[in-house]
Amino acid sequence: EDKVVQSPLSLVVHEGDTVTLNCSYEVTNFRSLLWYKQEKKAPTFLFMLTSSGIEKKSGRLSSILDKKELFSILNITATQTGDSAVYLCAVEWVDSNYQLIWGAGTKLIIKP
Amino acid sequence: DSGVTQTPKHLITATGQRVTLRCSPRSGDLSVYWYQQSLDQGLQFLIHYYNGEERAKGNILERFSAQQFPDLHSELNLSSLELGDSALYFCASSARQGWSYTFGSGTRLTVV
Repeated sequence: EDKVVQSPLSLVVHEGDTVTLNCSYEVTNFRSLLWYKQEKKAPTFLFMLTSSGIEKKSGRLSSILDKKELFSILNITATQTGDSAVYLCAVEWVDSNYQLIWGAGTKLIIKP
Repeated sequence: DSGVTQTPKHLITATGQRVTLRCSPRSGDLSVYWYQQSLDQGLQFLIHYYNGEERAKGNILERFSAQQFPDLHSELNLSSLELGDSALYFCASSARQGWSYTFGSGTRLTVV
């Protein structure tokens, strides 16, 4: 059965710390992996990764994919209280008609 | 405002009832996706429509149905409601079939 597993489920750190969130997947005919941030309501898109080893970066956030080991990491450096959210990982596969399989998310809490 | 409009924002209804959730995608987006997010299950893909046609069906119960109209808005109909149907229902849209969904703010359904 295809699945996406995120770890840790929750994480509490202090402002200024660097965090690494993990997403592993077992999906037949993988096409892409996406990261979303969910604060109060709607998830918002962060990154889409399709190729191994190419880092995507946006400000203090970066992400990389390892298609051999079937995982991705999301790094957040110099964390701020505004980074507190649930971070969701989702995977798309070939012939999925663009539906996604979602992980359960990592709840990140940044303490001032 | 993401540009994806969902109504109503909150809905409280009794078991056995039927409700309709509405979604207006971002201007120009042809694809609409429906998701259910409950506390214990995370985001679950329900169904995907592209330009009025059903393209993919996920874990959608037979009591649930959806359609996308010629003006591209979509409705999710939930009938014979059960307590376990209480969840946040998201609609997302994308310009083409694919990634980088834009989510609406969701409809919180409470079945009592």
